[in-house]
Amino acid sequence: DADVTQTPRNRITKTGKRIMLECSQTKGHDRMYWYRQDPGLGLRLIYYSFDVKDINKGEISDGYSVSRQAQAKFSLSLESAIPNQTALYFCATSVGYEQYFGPGTRLTVT
Amino acid sequence: AQSVTQLDSHVSVSEGTPVLLRCNYSSSYSPSLFWYVQHPNKGLQLLLKYTSAATLVKGINGFEAEFKKSETSFHLTKPSAHMSDAAEYFCVVSASTNDYKLSFGAGTTVTVRA
Repeated sequence: DADVTQTPRNRITKTGKRIMLECSQTKGHDRMYWYRQDPGLGLRLIYYSFDVKDINKGEISDGYSVSRQAQAKFSLSLESAIPNQTALYFCATSVGYEQYFGPGTRLTVT
Repeated sequence: AQSVTQLDSHVSVSEGTPVLLRCNYSSSYSPSLFWYVQHPNKGLQLLLKYTSAATLVKGINGFEAEFKKSETSFHLTKPSAHMSDAAEYFCVVSASTNDYKLSFGAGTTVTVRA
C-alpha cells in the first residue's frame, strides 16, 4: 500500500465551486506539505504543517486553505475555484529534508 | 533566498549514451540538494541527495551527481541511458536551515530515443 495517498486523483469542477483535496499518510511523519505543479514552473509550496497545531503559508497560499485533522491527514481546500487553479496538486510528508510525495491530484477548473 | 536553475528544459538522448542534466543553485546557507524524478502520471521519487557528506553522490538506477561548491552546481549524470529513464527530473534545494522547505527547479524533460 502507498505511504502517501491522495483523493481524488482527478477532478473537474466549475468556477466558483468549493473543492477539497485530501491527503493521508501512514509514514508517521509530523510534517506535511501541499504543492501545485504547473508546466515549466516546477513545484510551488502552497501550505505546510509541522504538526496538528502548526500550519504555515507557503509561497502561493492565496485562494487556498488547509486543515490538519490529525497527524495522518492534511486537506487542501479551494473556497471558490478559478480557472488558473487548474494544476497538478501534490501532498508530501517529510522527515528531515527528505520528502515523500503522493501520486498527485489533477484538478481542472472550467 | 534559495533558488535553483535547471539549465535545460528538455534533453534528448539515444539509448545507451550518457545523460547529463545541469543544475545550478544559490543558497545563503550550506545547502542540501536533491534530484527527484517524475515518470508520466506518477508522483515524485527521490533519486539522490547531498547533505554535506561526500561530494559525489550515488543514487538509484545508476544515477549520480556531483556537488561543486565553487561552481554552485549539482549536475546529474548517468553513463548509459535506458528507455525507462524517460521522465521529468527536478533539481531541488533546501530553502532554509531549520524549516525544511524545498525550492524546486522548473524541471528537465528527458526523452530517450531507441
